[in-house]
Amino acid sequence: SQTIHQWPATLVQPVGSPLSLECTVEGTSNPNLYWYRQAAGRGLQLLFYSVGIGQISSEVPQNLSASRPQDRQFILSSKKLLLSDSGFYLCAWSPRSGGNGANVLTFGAGSRLTVL
Amino acid sequence: AQKVTQAQTEISVVEKEDVTLDCVYETRDTTYYLFWYKQPPSGELVFLIRRNSFDEQNEISGRYSWNFQKSTSSFNFTITASQVVDSAVYFCALSGVIQGAQKLVFGQGTRLTINP
Repeated sequence: SQTIHQWPATLVQPVGSPLSLECTVEGTSNPNLYWYRQAAGRGLQLLFYSVGIGQISSEVPQNLSASRPQDRQFILSSKKLLLSDSGFYLCAWSPRSGGNGANVLTFGAGSRLTVL
Repeated sequence: AQKVTQAQTEISVVEKEDVTLDCVYETRDTTYYLFWYKQPPSGELVFLIRRNSFDEQNEISGRYSWNFQKSTSSFNFTITASQVVDSAVYFCALSGVIQGAQKLVFGQGTRLTINP
């Protein structure tokens, strides 16, 4: 069966410090990978998605970047965190097959980031 | 543009009551998929159901039921005989396809509290 891991689960970082959140998927090959952010009391916003190694698409301009160095690894980064980067970050995967919007996204447990 | 509206920000009911969570969506696509996810206090999003735009039959799964009405662009979720374990934030989402990846547009979520 497929599993998705995210770490760290929580972190508190000062403004201006770097960030690295990691996500890995097991039990599947060639997944589509996603990073979502959930700000306090708000819905989920798609930040990045990837359909293959080295292929990253950004949905919104921001202070963050993403990378996919391996097929099942997705990393969210920042060189200098802002207060507004605080939130709950969720990684997700979906099968590569099917292009009609039917795929179910499976989410990780999330990483809660507090920027002080 | 696609949009999902969950007008109920918070709902609080007493255990064993029935409760309906509303979801209204907007899309210009003729083929699309709708989803409901549950987010318990732990934070992970749990998939509940997927419905395609061509299937307007209501669906029931135990105490859960979903009412999809294309004429009103709604996909409402009802919990019958609610239990404390149903307490969570519930998200409705609408799918689209963007450059080969799945894009889920989420509503703002409804926080459901079931009181004993």
